[in-house]
Formats: sequence, structure tokens, C-alpha cells
Amino acid sequence: AQKVTQAQTEISVVEKEDVTLDCVYETRDTTYYLFWYKQPPSGELVFLIRRNSFDEQNEISGRYSWNFQKSTSSFNFTITASQVVDSAVYFCALSEAGGLRGAQKLVFGQGTRLTINP
Amino acid sequence: DAGVTQSPTHLIKTRGQQVTLRCSPKSGHDTVSWYQQALGQGPQFIFQYYEEEERQRGNFPDRFSGHQFPNYSSELNVNALLLGDSALYLCASSPGPTELSYNSPLHFGNGTRLTVT
Repeated sequence: AQKVTQAQTEISVVEKEDVTLDCVYETRDTTYYLFWYKQPPSGELVFLIRRNSFDEQNEISGRYSWNFQKSTSSFNFTITASQVVDSAVYFCALSEAGGLRGAQKLVFGQGTRLTINP
Repeated sequence: DAGVTQSPTHLIKTRGQQVTLRCSPKSGHDTVSWYQQALGQGPQFIFQYYEEEERQRGNFPDRFSGHQFPNYSSELNVNALLLGDSALYLCASSPGPTELSYNSPLHFGNGTRLTVT
């Protein structure tokens, strides 16, 4: 069965600090997709990044970077020089490719509440 | 370009009642998924609709049912409400089935906050 674990329930840092959000996943499939979503207080889940199981290249996008390590089943997310606007709940999610074509089903972790203090 | 819209924003119901939540997908999307997010938890997949049919279902009882209309909008119905059904209900849309649909990012609405008393 698929499972996503975000062990950090809450993180609080001071603005401009770097912060890393951890994500560990379990799946028996060889082809799968990993996602990070951000949920601000408005409730809407905002897509940040996706990575497929065949692409272990790390990615940097502005202040955001992602570290995918298949050997440890981890897909961690780092925010560099954090800002107050980064405060939100962040979710890691997993989608397997073996289901009905197009019938994507995301399995989410429990989320990490990130608070950036000024 | 309108994103995913959900109505109502908030809803208060009594245990045993029935509720209907509505969702309009993002322009150009024809697949709608519903998720339940309990307080402090991650969203859980309820079901997905494409071509007016339920394509995949999560581990939810038959009290949860849905419908998709020809214009791709969707409804989520919950019968015999329980206190435990109190949650944020999120609708997400995506393009229709293709080989790469399973890695397409879902676009979420702001959700409907349902409180059952």
C-alpha cells in the first residue's frame, strides 16, 4: 500500500533562516510520481513541484529546492532565506502510475505546518 | 482564466441530514476529483469522475456519492451525516485521461468547510 510520512508536524523559524521539510514515502510500484503542495490559510492547495520515479535529479527554483533520493525513499523540500509569506501547511503526495489510465489518485502525508516569524 | 470553484464556502448541518457540495472545474479540464481533509490531516481521496462516470474510489462508505454533469461540473452528496464527516471538502480538476495524466498536477479549489453538529 502507498504511504507518505511527514514526520515534522510543525516547524517554526525566524525569517531568512533556511528550512527543510522531510517526506518519506512507501510504494511497491516502480513508476510513480511525487508532488509538493502548499496550503495557505485560504484552504486552496497550490501545486509546487512534481518529480517522477525515474528522475532523481535535484531541482532548484528560486528559493525552493528539492532533494529526491530513491535509495532512502525520500523527497525533501528546502526553502532558502525563508520569508513570512512562506508560512503555510506543506503537503507531500504520491501518485502511482499503475491504476486506470488518467485516474490519478493522490496519497497525501499529514502535512507540516511551517511558521516563519519576522 | 477561472480556476476551480466550489460552493458553498461554509455549511452547517445536523447529524442525520444530507448535504450536496458543488464544484466547477478549471477551464479546459474535464476530470474532477473529490478529497476530504479532516482538521490537522492531509486530504484523503474520495472519488474521481470523468465522462460522467465514477472512475476510481477511495475508502469511503456508500453514503458518499457523486455526479458529473455534461459541462464537467460535479456534485458530492453525503447522506446520513455523522459528526465525523465534519471536514474541508476539496475539489480538484485535471485534464482528461492521457498516458501522462497520472503525473499532471491537480488544480484545487478553496474547498467547502462542512460542520456537522
